[in-house]
Amino acid sequence: DVVMTQFPLSLSVTLGQPASISCKSSQSPVHGDGDTYLTWFHQRPGQSPRRLIHKVSNRDSGVPDRFSGSGAGTDFTLQISRVEAEDAGLYYCMQGTYWPPTFGQGTKVEI
Amino acid sequence: EVQLVESGGGLVQPGGSLKLSCSASGFPFSGAALHWVRQTSGKGLEWLGRIRTKTNNYATVYTASVKGRFTISRDDSKNMAYLQMDSLKAEDTAVYYCTLTAADHWGQGTQVTVSS
Repeated sequence: DVVMTQFPLSLSVTLGQPASISCKSSQSPVHGDGDTYLTWFHQRPGQSPRRLIHKVSNRDSGVPDRFSGSGAGTDFTLQISRVEAEDAGLYYCMQGTYWPPTFGQGTKVEI
Repeated sequence: EVQLVESGGGLVQPGGSLKLSCSASGFPFSGAALHWVRQTSGKGLEWLGRIRTKTNNYATVYTASVKGRFTISRDDSKNMAYLQMDSLKAEDTAVYYCTLTAADHWGQGTQVTVSS
């Protein structure tokens, strides 16, 4: 299976400051169709994961524009330009190119 | 609005069986593949398997850790998907979610605890 490695695993951020989470894939998640199926999720305690970013950099509807995704090859990044209190929780990257889809270990963001 | 609602979780003894359900609404169910994902405190998120549509012969695929023990099925007339879990082990203890291929919608999850 493709291994997704996130770092850091824990991040303490001050309100209004930027935050960045990295995700490294053991294989490039570029699909044969040309798309890169790299997805970012946010999960608050007691809730199910919410998709934030798909195909590396496409923000989902309703996701604030302070969230952005970037990367290529095997290295990807989720950035939050100015952290707000509601951004606390766990963040996961996931590759959906190879079966089975695999997730990173999760990064806990504390505000 | 797309909604996925899981049910059927509970406490089961090792070696036992449990069948989870996923009730779907708000989208053309018969045209969508359905997936099951679980979340444990130890291993995080794990994609378990998926079932395709009638057009794709209801093809299923599973991750290695559950292949041969878990079976995904669906009833398009009821907008339901199912996860039959047999030969359960303690390490199957998790919150189980159903989701769609794009993982853009998830249910609230149902807790399964395997313990004697």
